[in-house]
Amino acid sequence: KNQVEQSPQSLIILEGKNCTLQCNYTVSPFSNLRWYKQDTGRGPVSLTIMTFSENTKSNGRYTATLDADTKQSSLHITASQLSDSASYICVVSPTSGTYKYIFGTGTRLKVLA
Amino acid sequence: DSGVTQTPKHLITATGQRVTLRCSPRSGDLSVYWYQQSLDQGLQFLIQYYNGEERAKGNILERFSAQQFPDLHSELNLSSLELGDSALYFCASSVDRGGTSGRWEETQYFGPGTRLLVL
Repeated sequence: KNQVEQSPQSLIILEGKNCTLQCNYTVSPFSNLRWYKQDTGRGPVSLTIMTFSENTKSNGRYTATLDADTKQSSLHITASQLSDSASYICVVSPTSGTYKYIFGTGTRLKVLA
Repeated sequence: DSGVTQTPKHLITATGQRVTLRCSPRSGDLSVYWYQQSLDQGLQFLIQYYNGEERAKGNILERFSAQQFPDLHSELNLSSLELGDSALYFCASSVDRGGTSGRWEETQYFGPGTRLLVL
């Protein structure tokens, strides 16, 4: 069964610190992997999109990595800010099958002053 | 502001009823996607339309249907509503230059969502 699992479920860090969120997937083959940021009650905002052949993609203080061999992706946030408090969702797109997008359950990040 | 608009923002209705959610994509975007987000299921992809035609189908129930009109706005129809249909419904849009290949897709821009409560 195609799955996307994220860890940790929740995370609390101090402002200015770095953190790394993990996404493990069993989806194979896949065409791309996305990371979204979602503020409570609002629509997700795209952070990065990586094709299966890419290893890393950056968007400002956000850097996503992809290891297709271990089926793992990570999202690294540098110098966290209070506004980074949100849920971060990993999404994998299989190249075939019923489901075009398989969503992880997300990591809820809280940045404290 | 993503440029995607959704109406209404909130909707309260009773079980067994039918509702219509509306989405206007960003100017120039040809693809519209519908998603459902509930507390117990998380985000789920429902359906995608590209330039008026259904492109991909996900976890959409038979009680639900959608369409995309010539002006590219889209509507999601939910009928015979059940308590479990209470959720946030998001619409997203993209230019979708990747087309049917599935190897590369563009950024999706999400609307603010419609919060549906079925009592």
